[in-house]
Amino acid sequence: KQEVTQIPAALSVPEGENLVLNCSFTDSAIYNLQWFRQDPGKGLTSLLLIQSSQREQTSGRLNASLDKSSGRSTLYIAASQPGDSATYLCAAQHSKAAGNKLTFGGGTRVLVKP
Amino acid sequence: DVKVTQSSRYLVKRTGEKVFLECVQDMDHENMFWYRQDPGLGLRLIYFSYDVKMKEKGDIPEGYSVSREKKERFSLILESASTNQTSMYLCASREQNIQYFGAGTRLSVL
Repeated sequence: KQEVTQIPAALSVPEGENLVLNCSFTDSAIYNLQWFRQDPGKGLTSLLLIQSSQREQTSGRLNASLDKSSGRSTLYIAASQPGDSATYLCAAQHSKAAGNKLTFGGGTRVLVKP
Repeated sequence: DVKVTQSSRYLVKRTGEKVFLECVQDMDHENMFWYRQDPGLGLRLIYFSYDVKMKEKGDIPEGYSVSREKKERFSLILESASTNQTSMYLCASREQNIQYFGAGTRLSVL
């Protein structure tokens, strides 16, 4: 059974610092990995999707890498801003899972201090 | 823009009531999902549907049922609400492996 872990559970950085968020998964036979952002009391917004054949994806200040062999993905946010404060979740879509469902990590709660 | 709409942001119900949570998407997606989110437990899949009238159990289907009579609408039903079903419920639809989420319904069962 796939397990997805995000450590640390919470992170606080000063504005302008680069953010590095970690995601690890136990079964490397994933189809893709997706990063989401969740603001308090709200739903999830998809940030980046990395296919299993890709090593990284970029969108603006966001860059996500994927290393299947080590079971890790990392989300980098450059030059953090207070508006980046949110919870970030990663989710692995398993190749063999019925309906290609996602397995979510517990999330990392980020606070960017002005 | 993809839009997934959950009919209620907040609901308060009594133990034993039958509860309907509605979710509508406007992008003709075939796949739709219901999750619940609890502190320390993360998001857990309750049910999903890959077509009209088709449904599959997720990881925690006990105490829930679903209905998908039309492609755009996926309903989650709590047949007899219990206090341990107090949670944040999130609906999602999927296109090309990307899941799009609604804003969530925070349900309190008293």
